[in-house]
Amino acid sequence: EDQVTQSPEALRLQEGESSSLNCSYTVSGLRGLFWYRQDPGKGPEFLFTLYSAGEEKEKERLKATLTKKESFLHITAPKPEDSATYLCAALKSGGSYIPTFGRGTSLIVHP
Amino acid sequence: EAGVTQFPSHSVIEKGQTVTLRCDPISGHDNLYWYRRVMGKEIKFLLHFVKESKQDESGMPNNRFLAERTGGTYSTLKVQPAELEDSGVYFCASSEFRGGDGYTFGSGTRLTVV
Repeated sequence: EDQVTQSPEALRLQEGESSSLNCSYTVSGLRGLFWYRQDPGKGPEFLFTLYSAGEEKEKERLKATLTKKESFLHITAPKPEDSATYLCAALKSGGSYIPTFGRGTSLIVHP
Repeated sequence: EAGVTQFPSHSVIEKGQTVTLRCDPISGHDNLYWYRRVMGKEIKFLLHFVKESKQDESGMPNNRFLAERTGGTYSTLKVQPAELEDSGVYFCASSEFRGGDGYTFGSGTRLTVV
């Protein structure tokens, strides 16, 4: 069964304290790995898609990387406005084109 | 560009009642998805429409859930009769192409069954 596991469940950082969020996946034949940001009371907002091991994508203070078993979302010098829940989802090749989501990491950045 | 709109934003109903959730996708998006998040769990897929046709309904929990998409535009998700375990946040998403890339999610409907 396809599984996506995110860690940690929750993370508290001080402003400027860099860290990484982990997304481990067991999907037979990965087609794409997606990262979303979700703010309270809102739906997930798309951030990145990674397609192959070794690929990296960047957006402001966020950088997503991908290996054959996991993905990392690196947050460099975070600001309070980066506080949100970060979700990853894995899409396997073939089949229904429906990604499997992880439970997310709740990030709080203190000023 | 208008986003994905869902309403109501919140609904509290009693067990056994009926509730209908509505989703208006981005205009021109043929693909429409329903997802549900139960507290403490991951977002789970329910159903996928391509235009007015159900492409994949493998995630629908049981026959108390009925989804429709009229003329390939807006979609409704009806729960009848509602049970306590149906509580959660129901998200709708739409996309121009299939797959997770470029999904636009609505803000969700928080359903509480008491």
